[in-house]
Amino acid sequence: DAGVIQSPRHEVTEMGQEVTLRCKPISGHNSLFWYRQTMMRGLELLIYFNNNVPIDDSGMPEDRFSAKMPNASFSTLKIQPSEPRDSAVYFCASTTDRSSHEQYFGPGTRLTVT
Amino acid sequence: DQQVKQNSPSLSVQEGRISILNCDYTNSMFDYFLWYKKYPAEGPTFLISISSIKDKNEDGRFTVFLNKSAKHLSLHIVPSQPGDSAVYFCASRRGGQNFVFGPGTRLSVLP
Repeated sequence: DAGVIQSPRHEVTEMGQEVTLRCKPISGHNSLFWYRQTMMRGLELLIYFNNNVPIDDSGMPEDRFSAKMPNASFSTLKIQPSEPRDSAVYFCASTTDRSSHEQYFGPGTRLTVT
Repeated sequence: DQQVKQNSPSLSVQEGRISILNCDYTNSMFDYFLWYKKYPAEGPTFLISISSIKDKNEDGRFTVFLNKSAKHLSLHIVPSQPGDSAVYFCASRRGGQNFVFGPGTRLSVLP
């Protein structure tokens, strides 16, 4: 298995532009998580999907952030418009069930907003 | 307010010695705890876990200790190896809720 796949690995964009991050979870996993890692706050959970349905989006910072999971093998995290404070590494993780303690993380997307 | 704290941003240890990484949590309802390891340019990978019904769990060179009264857990690595150099995240959760991660501690094992 290829593991969780994220694209792009690096994204540099200008303030105000739309950014879309992509994730392909491990086949057969029905729970998907988006996290953001910053120096100050570490790993923060942004949103959690179960069976393609958003269950908990309380971590989404503001309306500029949105996430979708149109099918079991694909999810997107969109930031529109982007701001310099959105610069961080964004991770996608999947697992068989939220009750499972082991999440499998992708390699992350490093986002830089100038 | 961070519910999971790792107060040491970094730690340096000599190869062969013991590494002790600490984690404190504020929510007394947390009942499951994890450690993840993260290498540069990679995602975190699961390392070891412990349930609140235990106070110790061991897996090879890695041992996690849980002190519920102090709301404190620690990860011991013995002996430390250069390949253990990474960022270590502590994570905790209550029941079936999502895990809350700490900010991480960067461990450097010096040859």
